[in-house]
Amino acid sequence: DAKTTQPTSMDCAEGRAANLPCNHSTISGNEYVYWYRQIHSQGPQYIIHGLKNNETNEMASLIITEDRKSSTLILPHATLRDTAVYYCIVSYHPNTGNQFYFGTGTSLTVIP
Amino acid sequence: EAGVTQFPSHSVIEKGQTVTLRCDPISGHDNLYWYRRVMGKEIKFLLHFVKESKQDESGMPNNRFLAERTGGTYSTLKVQPAELEDSGVYFCASSRDGWDPENTEAFFGQGTRLTVV
Repeated sequence: DAKTTQPTSMDCAEGRAANLPCNHSTISGNEYVYWYRQIHSQGPQYIIHGLKNNETNEMASLIITEDRKSSTLILPHATLRDTAVYYCIVSYHPNTGNQFYFGTGTSLTVIP
Repeated sequence: EAGVTQFPSHSVIEKGQTVTLRCDPISGHDNLYWYRRVMGKEIKFLLHFVKESKQDESGMPNNRFLAERTGGTYSTLKVQPAELEDSGVYFCASSRDGWDPENTEAFFGQGTRLTVV
């Protein structure tokens, strides 16, 4: 079962920052926060992941609260191509590798 | 670098028939995962290979599903016999290292859309 809670849907104006929240209050000490997105019926696309420090890459920034119970994915300048379902996932199994629970995600619509 | 490749992209079969899906992971990735989305529901984990060994197959729905990864390269997922409820999209993913958290991001293929009629 998914260990995260995300809003069902969000809108964002093109060119503005999209801030997607995620609650993961039961996250354990060795679990990472991953973000993926799925555009139409394509395969899920990796965006970013982190443990406790904020992370940034060419696609997005990940802000994790100090208590690690929530995080925010930031798309700094949303474009129409960023319209997708965004999944926040917490996972890491030291003995068995990784298994992702996708949940229902947030459907982000970027508006022209 | 080539991504994860899945074949076929679409398959339509009759109930009771057999279908085999194939996944070619990213070269050098020891970890290979199968997921599926059925009936518009959430994407669900099926199983995880480390090289040729099944590390975790807790998500396999029943014994009609058989996954193999001979030689630790590509993997196949066979459904025999197929049932109507098996219709959905089957995704394959691979990652470099399933145990090093810094290298556990998984890269997904485009999926195989299976329709059982």
